[in-house]
Amino acid sequence: NAGVTQTPKFQVLKTGQSMTLQCAQDMNHEYMSWYRQDPGMGLRLIHYSVGAGITDQGEVPNGYNVSRSTTEDFPLRLLSAAPSQTSVYFCASSYLEMDEQFFGPGTRLTVL
Amino acid sequence: AQSVTQLDSHVSVSEGTPVLLRCNYSSSYSPSLFWYVQHPNKGLQLLLKYTSAATLVKGINGFEAEFKKSETSFHLTKPSAHMSDAAEYFCVVTGGGADGLTFGKGTHLIIQP
Repeated sequence: NAGVTQTPKFQVLKTGQSMTLQCAQDMNHEYMSWYRQDPGMGLRLIHYSVGAGITDQGEVPNGYNVSRSTTEDFPLRLLSAAPSQTSVYFCASSYLEMDEQFFGPGTRLTVL
Repeated sequence: AQSVTQLDSHVSVSEGTPVLLRCNYSSSYSPSLFWYVQHPNKGLQLLLKYTSAATLVKGINGFEAEFKKSETSFHLTKPSAHMSDAAEYFCVVTGGGADGLTFGKGTHLIIQP
């Protein structure tokens, strides 16, 4: 099993550009989520999904969109990048919401 | 609603001495609690989890944590620190639903030779 994979590992954007961070898991997990990690802030939940076709907002959803068309994939879209979105982004998955979550290796995003 | 407070942003210990990383939580539900470790420029790895079974939870690499409901605490301990334990440690609570996982702000563990 590859576990949770994320692409790209690094990305630099200009203000106003859009992009999609990819996340995939091969563990047949129903629950998937996106977090951002900023210094001194821990990880904060952006969006989550409890299954294909179902998504909901977390603590910091503004400026991000998600969709879940398959169990395996959960992409995160930045609609119009802003410097405040410079962060490290982690995707995670688990079988159920309250289970141990498995994290991807992260995407380091810089917005200039 | 739920929240987590890690009481120390930095902890420094000498190699071979005990480690104590403190965590207090609040939750409206019967929570699940976790400790994750993050080594520099790496992803997060689960150390241990509490899910309403035994209150003393043993994890990987010699770490353990005790769930104390009366004190709303879930402190992480290790009897003897190793240089490889130097990392960022996160205490995490979840009650499910829209709150997802709520992370503490992290404790940076420094191991002195």
